[in-house]
Parts: sequence; structure tokens; C-alpha cells
Amino acid sequence: EVQLVESGGGLVEPGGSLRLSCVASGITFSNTWMSWVRQAPGKGLDWIGRIKSKSDGGTTYYAAPVNGRFTISRDESKNTLYLQMNSLKTEDTAVYYCTTDCSGGSCYGGHFDPWGQGILVTVSS
Amino acid sequence: DIQMTQSPSTLSASIGDTVTITCRASQNINNWLAWYQQKPGKAPKLLIYKTSTLASGVPSRFSGSDSGTEFTLTITSLQPDDFATYYCQQYTSFGQGTRLEIK
Repeated sequence: EVQLVESGGGLVEPGGSLRLSCVASGITFSNTWMSWVRQAPGKGLDWIGRIKSKSDGGTTYYAAPVNGRFTISRDESKNTLYLQMNSLKTEDTAVYYCTTDCSGGSCYGGHFDPWGQGILVTVSS
Repeated sequence: DIQMTQSPSTLSASIGDTVTITCRASQNINNWLAWYQQKPGKAPKLLIYKTSTLASGVPSRFSGSDSGTEFTLTITSLQPDDFATYYCQQYTSFGQGTRLEIK
């Protein structure tokens, strides 16, 4: 069974930093593209970034609102995906989900499946 | 960037009804259109991908179709467990969501 488990969320002041982790099991992580998607309280889903598999170059892509502030990385030895968030703003308050990205790599079809349980990040003074 | 316009934003229906949710793309896209179900406090769950392929374990009362740039999620014979919020997704764009509530 594929499982994604996020950790590292919490309360941080505006301008601060936080790093989220997502441990994957049940998949060949090294062949899998991964994405982060967030959901502000009471709002819809927003894709924030993607990292290709190492074998596909490990290239990263970001949505405009987080480009230059957030960095996605991966550690194949730990089957772990990371989201480093710097210069946090109040509007970054959201539940953050990691998800397998089927735009390439080991799956195909452009969808996101499965998803982690989500982790809450609150940016407030 | 592709924009996905989803409608309606809220839908009221009764157990046993058939409902339709629509997603329109701002430009011609391929058939990589997915639908998700989300319940309060839970992660989204994949229902359908590549427009009409049912994800593993999803009941056959869920179906997807397309007509040009308009994509449709149909749920027949609504069950209590189906009342939730539904999102479409294409590439990195999600629709705004449709909240399906009990009438």
C-alpha cells in the first residue's frame, strides 16, 4: 500500500521559515515525480510545486506565488520529499499535501494520487 | 496558464438522484483531466483520471466524459457517502470546487 506521511508543520511568524517533510512508502520513490499542493482554510486546492525523479533530472517547478521563496528537494536514500519555505507570509497559511505526480515518471495521466494526510502551516504573529 | 472553470459551486440533491458537475478549460487541452472527492478534514481522493478512467476502488456510479473543452463528472444513484466537495484538475490547475449537499 502506498503511503505518504507529512510532518514539520506548525505556527511560524511572518518572515520566518519552516521545512516540511513527506516520507513515502510502498512506491519506487526514485522513479516517482512528486508535487506539493496546499489548501487555505475554507478554500480550494492550489498546486505549488513539483520535482521530477532523479532519473528525469530532478528538475523543479513552482507556482508564481511561491517562486523564489519555496524550494522542493528529495532524498532518495530516505524516500523523503521536502518543502523548504522561507519568507513566509500570512497568505501561506494552509494545509499542505504531498502527492505522487502522474505527469511523468513511474505513472502517466497527469493526475495526483495518492495524497498524504496533510499538515497545517499557520503563519501568524 | 490554463484556467479551469467548474460549475456549479454548490449543488443540492437527494439520495438516489443523478447529478452532473462540469469543468471547462480555457483552451484546448488533452484528455488528462482528473476528478477528486474531498470530505471535511481529509485529503482529496482521486476518483477519475484521463477524463473517464475510474480509479481503483471507485464505485461505477461515478463516470466522466468530455465534449471538446467541457468535461463532466456524473454521479448516478447518489449515496449518503457521496456528499462531499468535488474538484477537477488539469495539469497544475484545479477547478474552484463543487460542494454537493443533501437537499
